[in-house]
Amino acid sequence: GAGVSQSPSNKVTEKGKDVELRCDPISGHTALYWYRQSLGQGLEFLIYFQGNSAPDKSGLPSDRFSAERTGGSVSTLTIQRTQQEDSAVYLCASSFQGNTEAFFGQGTRLTVV
Amino acid sequence: DAKTTQPTSMDCAEGRAANLPCNHSTISGNEYVYWYRQIHSQGPQYIIHGLKNNETNEMASLIITEDRKSSTLILPHATLRDTAVYYCIVRVGLNAGNMLTFGGGTRLMVKP
Repeated sequence: GAGVSQSPSNKVTEKGKDVELRCDPISGHTALYWYRQSLGQGLEFLIYFQGNSAPDKSGLPSDRFSAERTGGSVSTLTIQRTQQEDSAVYLCASSFQGNTEAFFGQGTRLTVV
Repeated sequence: DAKTTQPTSMDCAEGRAANLPCNHSTISGNEYVYWYRQIHSQGPQYIIHGLKNNETNEMASLIITEDRKSSTLILPHATLRDTAVYYCIVRVGLNAGNMLTFGGGTRLMVKP
């Protein structure tokens, strides 16, 4: 595709439910990043994938958060047993080999009620 | 990655140059300076990056001091659409494969 695509664009879920957020990076980009941004706050790093290397999970806030990247392309961020503090915009970005500019998707706005 | 310091907010008159400063006094020799911006309700957008030479593209110019401890992003003729949060990021480039670390950024308000 022309850019990084994220789905859904908006998600409302009940507290305690699991959610899956999807990211389709730009074709050929080997690096993929997940961030989240709470209302009025800066970007918070979550996880980073680079090629076939083990992902950098140092930003995941708890073990309820996990992510995978299948076939070096599409990535899914899963949040189990969602809490209200998980409400935020979840942003995905990709870059070519991780050393060039990153292109961001429009994000998924998650609201936990 | 080296830490960066930016003013929290700045105003600029429409049509004038916007000069956004960034301090990165602990920058290492192999670290690049990147600038991104985030317009309200959108994902961050890459603007420009440089190592030690000044850089210019269709969006902006990047001026890096000789000691590389600070830099300035210049939007030569700011428009209302340039109102955004501007992030200065220092990171290792050239196949290091590390992630971007965003700080608080500068909220630029372009006024008519």
